[in-house]
Amino acid sequence: ETGVTQTPRHLVMGMTNKKSLKCEQHLGHNAMYWYKQSAKKPLELMFVYSLEERVENNSVPSRFSPECPNSSHLFLHLHTLQPEDSALYLCASSQDRLGPQNTEAFFGQGTRLTVV
Amino acid sequence: GDSVTQMEGPVTLSEEACLTINCTYTATGYPSLFWYVQYPGEGLQLLLKATKADDKGSNKGFEATYRKETTSFHLEKGSVQVSDSAVYFCALSDGHFAGNNRKLIWGLGTSLAVNP
Repeated sequence: ETGVTQTPRHLVMGMTNKKSLKCEQHLGHNAMYWYKQSAKKPLELMFVYSLEERVENNSVPSRFSPECPNSSHLFLHLHTLQPEDSALYLCASSQDRLGPQNTEAFFGQGTRLTVV
Repeated sequence: GDSVTQMEGPVTLSEEACLTINCTYTATGYPSLFWYVQYPGEGLQLLLKATKADDKGSNKGFEATYRKETTSFHLEKGSVQVSDSAVYFCALSDGHFAGNNRKLIWGLGTSLAVNP
């Protein structure tokens, strides 16, 4: 496999459930990202990991908990979500953190999450 | 803060028609500019980019020129195909930081439907 792979593609969960989203990249990249894509809103950057260390957390509620066990894998653990958390969650990676010499991010297909 | 404004969609065209999707930005520093495309059911893919003023990015028949004087990066294609139907996102990589700590700032996306 190549590229960025996300599983599952679709997830329906109740507000009391606990679930996890998985992202895997086979590009040898050192930085990974979680984004939330909601209708009528710009993409929202949630978390940034660089060399497995969380370097950014954009005021995301604690019901979202990221984990990066190694540079190829990124998880987003979900618990006690709200209906307004329903969205497409996108994982992305880049060679290193974005900068003048590295400007491209590669995205997975996303997980369509519905909270009922 | 930095921002990106895209024309609202949806845009509906017949095959072989000309396409222009407007994008303007506000930014301090020296941003890089991007167009990403999201085909139905898939994640975002980089379509083209420009890293400095007057640069022209091009790919798959699409072009966009970085215009600093008008703070614009309009996406154009001379003859669209049905397979171009997708959502197109304009984005900038903020130029605040000289080091590797930039963010991608996103437009809302413009949906394009091309009819046979």
